[in-house]
Amino acid sequence: NAGVTQTPKFQVLKTGQSMTLQCAQDMNHEYMSWYRQDPGMGLRLIHYSVGAGITDQGEVPNGYNVSRSTTEDFPLRLLSAAPSQTSVYFCASSPTGSGAYTDTQYFGPGTRLTVL
Amino acid sequence: GNSVTQMEGPVTLSEEAFLTINCTYTATGYPSLFWYVQYPGEGLQLLLKATKADDKGSNKGFEATYRKETTSFHLEKGSVQVSDSAVYFCALRLRGGSEKLVFGKGTKLTVNP
Repeated sequence: NAGVTQTPKFQVLKTGQSMTLQCAQDMNHEYMSWYRQDPGMGLRLIHYSVGAGITDQGEVPNGYNVSRSTTEDFPLRLLSAAPSQTSVYFCASSPTGSGAYTDTQYFGPGTRLTVL
Repeated sequence: GNSVTQMEGPVTLSEEAFLTINCTYTATGYPSLFWYVQYPGEGLQLLLKATKADDKGSNKGFEATYRKETTSFHLEKGSVQVSDSAVYFCALRLRGGSEKLVFGKGTKLTVNP
């Protein structure tokens, strides 16, 4: 199993550009999520999905869109990049269900994004 | 609200020293508790977890006990190695809602030979 994969590993954008960060998992997990990691702030949830066709906002969703057309893929779209979106982005997945809160979330290797 | 507070770093130790990283939490329900580790340039990996009071999670010589009475989940290791140098995150996860992980800010550990 590849686990959770993310592409690209690094990206530099100019203010106003758009792009999509890719995330895929091969563990048949229903739950997928996107976090951003900023210095001194830990990780914060951007968006999450509990299954194909279902998405919801996390604590910092502004400026980002997601969709979930398949169980495997959960892309994150930046609509119009801003310097405040400079961060490291992590995708994560886990099983879901009544005991899901006890389950481990598995993280991808991250995408380091710089917005100039 | 739900939050995790862990000791500020950075922490610098010599090899074979004893490690403690404190973690306390505030939660509206009964959370599961996790320690994740992030090695330089990598993503987060689960180090250990505990899902109910008095459970002890352990892995790679690290241990943490879920203390409901003190709302704590302190990470300990008896003898650290240079390879333990990393950033350590304490986190909780609650039933229902987004079931997101709520993270502490992380503690950077450097172990010198």
